[in-house]
Amino acid sequence: QKEVEQNSGPLSVPEGAIASLNCTYSDRVSQSFFWYRQYSGKSPELIMSIYSNGDKEDGRFTAQLNKASQYVSLLIRDSQPSDSATYLCAVNAPNTDKLIFGTGTRLQVFP
Amino acid sequence: NAGVMQNPRHLVRRRGQEARLRCSPMKGHSHVYWYRQLPEEGLKFMVYLQKENIIDESGMPKERFSAEFPKEGPSILRIQQVVRGDSAAYFCASSLGQHKYTDTQYFGPGTRLTVL
Repeated sequence: QKEVEQNSGPLSVPEGAIASLNCTYSDRVSQSFFWYRQYSGKSPELIMSIYSNGDKEDGRFTAQLNKASQYVSLLIRDSQPSDSATYLCAVNAPNTDKLIFGTGTRLQVFP
Repeated sequence: NAGVMQNPRHLVRRRGQEARLRCSPMKGHSHVYWYRQLPEEGLKFMVYLQKENIIDESGMPKERFSAEFPKEGPSILRIQQVVRGDSAAYFCASSLGQHKYTDTQYFGPGTRLTVL
């Protein structure tokens, strides 16, 4: 079992729709959860961080964390073509500062 | 508003040569992390350093790879006797180091290493 799992996609949504990206992780002790966006050929850019169960909203983005189910998700409201990118879920390895990344979900927003 | 800086952005080496990748963390950040991204793969942790100390090198290959973060100057990832399999994007990230296990890491633009 991979430590951090994401569906590779592509996830295709029409412009204006809600894009839902999901991630599961294997170690219950993980404390920090991050979503990064990576455009092709570019570096990861932080979108959201979340540490507690529940929802955290920032503009069009909402991160959701459920530690009991070991599940973290990212919702993007009013999706725009400029949101088309690979979204990386990252989880801190237990009791360390290193991040374990999923392989990413490729999102395509079509006009 | 200088972010994490890496140089060179692109590096071409022939097999057997040495590659040196540099990373300057964001202003005020004292923790540096190196990650490698192979084509079509996810980011893999390599090493975590603070000034003059290697904190965690569990992701570093045992041979040919080394890293340092001296008291003055950038962090350096050094790859000796490069092989074609070392071709990848190498990303550096930095963090404040204020919160154990929960610090946010900010990434630099990466160095794309090509080994001929």
